[in-house]
Amino acid sequence: DTGVSQDPRHKITKRGQNVTFRCDPISEHNRLYWYRQTLGQGPEFLTYFQNEAQLEKSRLLSDRFSAERPKGSFSTLEIQRTEQGDSAMYLCASSSTRGWSEQYFGPGTRLTVT
Amino acid sequence: GQQVMQIPQYQHVQEGEDFTTYCNSSTTLSNIQWYKQRPGGHPVFLIQLVKSGEVKKQKRLTFQFGEAKKNSSLHITATQTTDVGTYFCAPRGEYGNKLVFGAGTILRVKS
Repeated sequence: DTGVSQDPRHKITKRGQNVTFRCDPISEHNRLYWYRQTLGQGPEFLTYFQNEAQLEKSRLLSDRFSAERPKGSFSTLEIQRTEQGDSAMYLCASSSTRGWSEQYFGPGTRLTVT
Repeated sequence: GQQVMQIPQYQHVQEGEDFTTYCNSSTTLSNIQWYKQRPGGHPVFLIQLVKSGEVKKQKRLTFQFGEAKKNSSLHITATQTTDVGTYFCAPRGEYGNKLVFGAGTILRVKS
């Protein structure tokens, strides 16, 4: 399968714990995005990479959130000291650098903070 | 920041009826993309509109970009049960390449 993959698909954690999610984009795509989606809402932008450079980060993103893409391939999103409000679906997407290229989304990681 | 409003929030139609969802912005958009998300699934790209007044068709789906590039619509002719899902419009953000998703229109189709 050459689509975007995310791991894990589901994560249940207790409040205060740290969690890390992984995203593997489509191999020839050098742009990678993280979004968060809650029930009944559209995906909300979190951050974006072009190759290994993090070019944009949402102002809404707390400093408990950090993302990396060290070799310009896969990316990780870490949430420290999780809160119940962090419960959501975390979506990763990738695209090429051609013009207004469409984004291809992964299946998401569903986080539940208890 | 850039925001779009989608209406209606929800529509329940009889199979075979038409369906339209509208996306409105207070600012001029450089382009707009449409995505579909099936229940339990992830967003899937449908189309991109760039030019003022642009109309694009995909089988029973017709996408339109307003002349002023402040609104867009998606029309589905003769809905089928496979059309069920949430339809999102997503203009490209003001700066950079992020997408700014609307809240979506949920479509349910009764067979």
